[in-house]
Amino acid sequence: EDQVTQSPEALRLQEGESSSLNCSYTVSGLRGLFWYRQDPGKGPEFLFTLYSAGEEKEKERLKATLTKKESFLHITAPKPEDSATYLCAVPSAATSGGSYIPTFGRGTSLIVHP
Amino acid sequence: EPEVTQTPSHQVTQMGQEVILRCVPISNHLYFYWYRQILGQKVEFLVSFYNNEISEKSEIFDDQFSVERPDGSNFTLKIRSTKLEDSAMYFCASSEIGRPYNSPLHFGNGTRLTVT
Repeated sequence: EDQVTQSPEALRLQEGESSSLNCSYTVSGLRGLFWYRQDPGKGPEFLFTLYSAGEEKEKERLKATLTKKESFLHITAPKPEDSATYLCAVPSAATSGGSYIPTFGRGTSLIVHP
Repeated sequence: EPEVTQTPSHQVTQMGQEVILRCVPISNHLYFYWYRQILGQKVEFLVSFYNNEISEKSEIFDDQFSVERPDGSNFTLKIRSTKLEDSAMYFCASSEIGRPYNSPLHFGNGTRLTVT
């Protein structure tokens, strides 16, 4: 069964303290990996798509990287406004048909203290 | 920037009642989804919809659930007889035509359903 596992579950950082979030996956034939940000009481907001090992994407203080088994979301010099839950999703094979469904990990809850 | 809108933002209902959750996807998107998130748990897939029919559904999406696109803009999720365990945040999402499994999803801000 396809699996998406994120770690750590929660992360507390001081403002300016860089760190990385991990998303490991077990799918047969990766068809893209997606990172989303979710603020409390809101829907997930799309950040990045990565398609192949070695690919990197950047947006402000965030950089996403991809290997054959996992993806990292690196946060450089975070600010309090980066506090959110970060979700990883991969398309996994649907049990009922031949298509693929975006399947989410449990997320990493990030709190950045001023 | 175009966005997915959901109404109502919060719905309280009694067990056994029917509820309809409404969504207006982004206008040029053709793939539509419903996900739910029970408090403290992960975002779970319910159903996907394309070309006026269900393309995939999860085990959660049993006979109590149905979806409909009644007109050119709205996309609805109906729960026929709500149970306490249906209490959750329900998210509608849409994605562009093409290859839906590698197009990012655009989510609404959800409807918080509370079943008492």
